[in-house]
Amino acid sequence: AQSVTQLGSHVSVSEGALVLLRCNYSSSVPPYLFWYVQYPNQGLQLLLKYTTGATLVKGINGFEAEFKKSETSFHLTKPSAHMSDAAEYFCAVSNAGNNRKLIWGLGTSLAVNP
Amino acid sequence: ETGVTQSPTHLIKTRGQQVTLRCSSQSGHNTVSWYQQALGQGPQFIFQYYREEENGRGNFPPRFSGLQFPNYSSELNVNALELDDSALYLCASSARVGYNEQFFGPGTRLTVL
Repeated sequence: AQSVTQLGSHVSVSEGALVLLRCNYSSSVPPYLFWYVQYPNQGLQLLLKYTTGATLVKGINGFEAEFKKSETSFHLTKPSAHMSDAAEYFCAVSNAGNNRKLIWGLGTSLAVNP
Repeated sequence: ETGVTQSPTHLIKTRGQQVTLRCSSQSGHNTVSWYQQALGQGPQFIFQYYREEENGRGNFPPRFSGLQFPNYSSELNVNALELDDSALYLCASSARVGYNEQFFGPGTRLTVL
């Protein structure tokens, strides 16, 4: 079975500060890992994904994440927060199997203070 | 290229009623997945359809059912609505072979009174 734990349901940073959103996963098979962002009253938009290959993954809007197998982690970072980054962020894991359903964390709400 | 679309945007129903939600997949995608997202929670996988057949189901009762049509659009049907069914229902489409990314629609907000 697969699961995702996002540490911290709410994170608050100042504009220009480092953003770090934590995600740990559990998977009995090699995982595919994703970060999605959700703005209020909108659907989910993919920020970045890890499937195979390079463990440091760069995504949209200046975000990146590093897959660390030994730590079963896939933390999301951005060097300098912008006001427009305020949103809900979800980490998800999927299998490489037949239906590739996504298993989601509970989400982290990011607030960016001026 | 048209993205994933869902209708209606919002819906209000009463307990015991039935509801049908619709999803049009992104061009070239033959797989559709449905998720339920309760307020303040992450999405929960309901089921997935591939080439008009169910291809995996989450922990939802049989009163949640679906269809996929030859053009790969899809419907989610919920019978005997309960208050706890109030949620945002998200549809996501993906290309089946060698492609893992799911593209999400904006969702349908269902309120059950």
